Amino acid sequence: DQQVKQNSPSLSVQEGRISILNCDYTNSMFDYFLWYKKYPAEGPTFLISISSIKDKNEDGRFTVFLNKSAKHLSLHIVPSQPGDSAVYFCAASEVQGAQKLVFGQGTRLTINP
Amino acid sequence: DSGVTQTPKHLITATGQRVTLRCSPRSGDLSVYWYQQSLDQGLQFLIQYYNGEERAKGNILERFSAQQFPDLHSELNLSSLELGDSALYFCASSVGSGLEQYFGPGTRLTVT
Repeated sequence: DQQVKQNSPSLSVQEGRISILNCDYTNSMFDYFLWYKKYPAEGPTFLISISSIKDKNEDGRFTVFLNKSAKHLSLHIVPSQPGDSAVYFCAASEVQGAQKLVFGQGTRLTINP
Repeated sequence: DSGVTQTPKHLITATGQRVTLRCSPRSGDLSVYWYQQSLDQGLQFLIQYYNGEERAKGNILERFSAQQFPDLHSELNLSSLELGDSALYFCASSVGSGLEQYFGPGTRLTVT
């Protein structure tokens, strides 16, 4: 039972355009969500997070949107740059429960020049 | 550089053997988490330690065990290794039980 799903294994975007990565979750107990970026041969790097009391969080070129009723979140990258090419993982956790992160399968983002 | 270190970077061993993976958390972080990433799989939570005590357990096999020492470094012990244990093993740390976890570079384990 996959509680966090990233249905797009890959995404290709032109440099300078917007990249939108999507994530769905099924566990209604999740109330904190994170995005990580991973380059080959490196560990995941924390990008941005959002609490369930918010519907949007912004940090520079990265914005995460949360739609609790739809159990859906998305990461927007504007403008996309070649260095953004990586695998992006969505993760979810319960603030009050065990602080383990439940990860999606990842989306490989490729930024084309 | 996240500040989390893991050794060794690569490990090749045979079935039936036992290995120990080591993790040093970021300075000041009390929580250590272990995750496994198998081929084509997302990261799966194994176990969490907080200030030396086990705090949460995930899909960790009985052949696997972990501990966190007084200096806060952690070790993951994998025994009676099987081919299916070949994976990347990541350690992460956080301040207290903070939700933003910072990952090390991982240990790639290959069981032959």
